[in-house]
Amino acid sequence: DIQMTQSPSTLSASVGDRVTITCRASQSISHWLAWYQQKPGKAPKLLIYKASSLESGVPSRFSGSVSGTEFTLTISSLQPDDFATYYCQQYNNYPRTFGQGTKVEIK
Amino acid sequence: QVLLVESGGGVVQPGRSLRLSCAASGFSFSSHGMHWVRQAPGKGLEWVALISYDGSSKKFGDSVKGRFTISRDNPKNTVHLQMNSLRVEDTAVYFCAAEGVGSGAEGYSWGQGTLVTVSS
Repeated sequence: DIQMTQSPSTLSASVGDRVTITCRASQSISHWLAWYQQKPGKAPKLLIYKASSLESGVPSRFSGSVSGTEFTLTISSLQPDDFATYYCQQYNNYPRTFGQGTKVEIK
Repeated sequence: QVLLVESGGGVVQPGRSLRLSCAASGFSFSSHGMHWVRQAPGKGLEWVALISYDGSSKKFGDSVKGRFTISRDNPKNTVHLQMNSLRVEDTAVYFCAAEGVGSGAEGYSWGQGTLVTVSS
């Protein structure tokens, strides 16, 4: 199985900060990676697919990139609505695997 | 718009069975793979199972293989997760997810989830 190692597990930041979350795959997954945002008690929401493509309706302050097996989610200027937990997921093969999650907290 | 509504959750004793259902609308159900993903209380997301658009291919996570089955009824726009030999560690919110129905035809659209509690 492909392991997805996500870091950090918790991130404290202020409104307006630039935030970066990293996800490393244990083997090549090409660009088959998605990022999801989840708020407490709610279902996850798709932000990014194919490593860097922005889902329709998602603010442009969210972006994704890839270098080899390392994937990055960047929030260019953190907004109050962005405090949530973020997960990466590989969909290169089965079983589909998620990262452990990154909780973005208010500093 | 895409709507996925899960049902069938509840409290069940270890070793018993439970069947979850997911009713879909707002997209061409018979053209898309359907997944189940679960989340134990306070924990992260765990992928559980997939059924392909026509039901011909099914995949399962290691932790449920041999105990859970997945099926779909395309005329009724419904997918089911049959959970047998339930364990305490199966306690979680179970989400139904449709693959590729968003703008980019990749990634999941999610239901609101249904809670399964396995306890004696």
